[in-house]
Amino acid sequence: KAGVTQTPRYLIKTRGQQVTLSCSPISGHRSVSWYQQTPGQGLQFLFEYFSETQRNKGNFPGRFSGRQFSNSRSEMNVSTLELGDSALYLCASSLQGVQETQYFGPGTRLLVL
Amino acid sequence: QQQVKQSPQSLIVQKGGISIINCAYENTAFDYFPWYQQFPGKGPALLIAIRPDVSEKKEGRFTISFNKSAKQFSLHIMDSQPGDSATYFCAASKGNRDDKIIFGKGTRLHILP
Repeated sequence: KAGVTQTPRYLIKTRGQQVTLSCSPISGHRSVSWYQQTPGQGLQFLFEYFSETQRNKGNFPGRFSGRQFSNSRSEMNVSTLELGDSALYLCASSLQGVQETQYFGPGTRLLVL
Repeated sequence: QQQVKQSPQSLIVQKGGISIINCAYENTAFDYFPWYQQFPGKGPALLIAIRPDVSEKKEGRFTISFNKSAKQFSLHIMDSQPGDSATYFCAASKGNRDDKIIFGKGTRLHILP
């Protein structure tokens, strides 16, 4: 069974730009969660999607948004990028939600200049 | 009240020794406590998880000890091996499957050969 895939793996953007990251979950998984990982703050929950609906959201500004498609693939968008948005963005998939085994992708490393 | 405090930040253990990582939480509504292991360049992977109805759970060399009254839980790695060198994250979540998950800031474990 293929694992969680994320594209692109690396991205360099400048302040003010926007970016879209993509996540393909494990086949059959309907829950996709997104996380931001930084050395200072560790792993922080961004949001979770299940069957195309956002069920929960972490404490991030509205510049961070996402969506999920009918095939469970998910995208995350960050608008008006700031230097502090430089991070590793991870997505994870599971059958039903965060209270069971989540399978993480390798992440997208975003650098904002 | 939503925080999960993890200690130590880094840990060095001799091969064959016991590695112990501790986490503390405030929110008594948390009812799912997983531990994730992350190797450099990879996404985190679920190691072991526990719910508050048991005080200990063991899987191979990995054991979670849970103290509900103290609102603490810990990961013990017995007979630590160099291959265990990684970053470990504890986490907590509450309620139904549609709730978010809060991670500790991680412990960087290094096992000396």
